[in-house]
Amino acid sequence: ETGVTQTPRHLVMGMTNKKSLKCEQHLGHNAMYWYKQSAKKPLELMFVYNFKEQTENNSVPSRFSPECPNSSHLFLHLHTLQPEDSALYLCASSQDLDKIVNEKLFFGSGTQLSVL
Amino acid sequence: GQNIDQPTEMTATEGAIVQINCTYQTSGFNGLFWYQQHAGEAPTFLSYNVLDGLEEKGRFSSFLSRSKGYSYLLLKELQMKDSASYLCAVADSNYQLIWGAGTKLIIKP
Repeated sequence: ETGVTQTPRHLVMGMTNKKSLKCEQHLGHNAMYWYKQSAKKPLELMFVYNFKEQTENNSVPSRFSPECPNSSHLFLHLHTLQPEDSALYLCASSQDLDKIVNEKLFFGSGTQLSVL
Repeated sequence: GQNIDQPTEMTATEGAIVQINCTYQTSGFNGLFWYQQHAGEAPTFLSYNVLDGLEEKGRFSSFLSRSKGYSYLLLKELQMKDSASYLCAVADSNYQLIWGAGTKLIIKP
């Protein structure tokens, strides 16, 4: 148990569906992240939030829409996805974005997404 | 460009020692991380090196040579539960984490 909970664990959706991924951290951290993990590829950073404010959007297509209502919760809203978006989506948190050098990330177990 | 290289897959025997290498080319360096990820589970932090040398933590050790752009993770007295993927990541000059694709370690009895 890492203190970061993601739901659902598995999601199958069609290209016309709208769904949301949820992440909750119980660690009192201030920074939260969305990563995409595809088989045999490096982790891809998608979005970063620090104190509920988005600080990074790494050229992610608009069909992915993040939302951070407070420092403990993070959502990823999905709509009109493509089959190539099928991957494991990981949420992570860290104590403080400004101290990234020494800040280890705490990851959730991820949502395995399949787009048909 | 920035790049992290690590072997895709390695196999080792229970009770033995295995060394997982990671080489990096990044714009700047602010530390190197190793994470362990069991299949279907969250990656978990193993080690952080920012100075040259060996850091030992129980059965796991991590080594860094900044001049060579090289690190390794050493696992001793291998156990079946060590079967997992091991991810290497480097913090660059902007403190952005650059990730390797991970090394899948298979432990055989």
